[in-house]
Amino acid sequence: SAVISQKPSRDICQRGTSLTIQCQVDSQVTMMFWYRQQPGQSLTLIATANQGSEATYESGFVIDKFPISRPNLTFSTLTVSNMSPEDSSIYLCSVAGRRDLGSYEQYFGPGTRLTVT
Amino acid sequence: QKEVEQNSGPLSVPEGAIASLNCTYSDRGSQSFFWYRQYSGKSPELIMSIYSNGDKEDGRFTAQLNKASQYVSLLIRDSQPSDSATYLCAVRTNFNKFYFGSGTKLNVKP
Repeated sequence: SAVISQKPSRDICQRGTSLTIQCQVDSQVTMMFWYRQQPGQSLTLIATANQGSEATYESGFVIDKFPISRPNLTFSTLTVSNMSPEDSSIYLCSVAGRRDLGSYEQYFGPGTRLTVT
Repeated sequence: QKEVEQNSGPLSVPEGAIASLNCTYSDRGSQSFFWYRQYSGKSPELIMSIYSNGDKEDGRFTAQLNKASQYVSLLIRDSQPSDSATYLCAVRTNFNKFYFGSGTKLNVKP
């Protein structure tokens, strides 16, 4: 497996502000993803973080709202910009494609619980 | 049509019984198949992966894959109350896209 850490684990933010979530993995991986999950709901893919290039966003998600960085093969950040209460959710980082194992299994970080007031 | 389909449940089984969870997928080019367990308030945890037709066993868990029928299943033998969770089916296509089902909620009654 892969050991993934996310910071912060939770936060309460005021509307109109921005929050940056960090994701760190203990080994080099080919793919990093950002998901959103409302309590009791299924996973929604926000974007694929690409190392050295712009992230690939899913329908309904835009770079201005969710800018993503991936400076290397073990680290990525997701920023939730100009937040509104509708952004309250759990944000999950996941990784796949461990280069040392040549595997495609996807592993999830512990998540960041965001509440916007 | 969704890429991955699962019954949302809840599926209720008595303790000690076999729980059978099912999943169908639409992309015939899918390469890899995964089952995740998600407890309430926690992130998904990978419990099984399967890549070729047939059965794969790991402890009390057996994953079954039938590519011709585009069908994946997970059997949990001797179900325990601690197995109560939502189980997510996922597939990886040959373009390295991952698709997740919406999950089946399993309740194991003592």
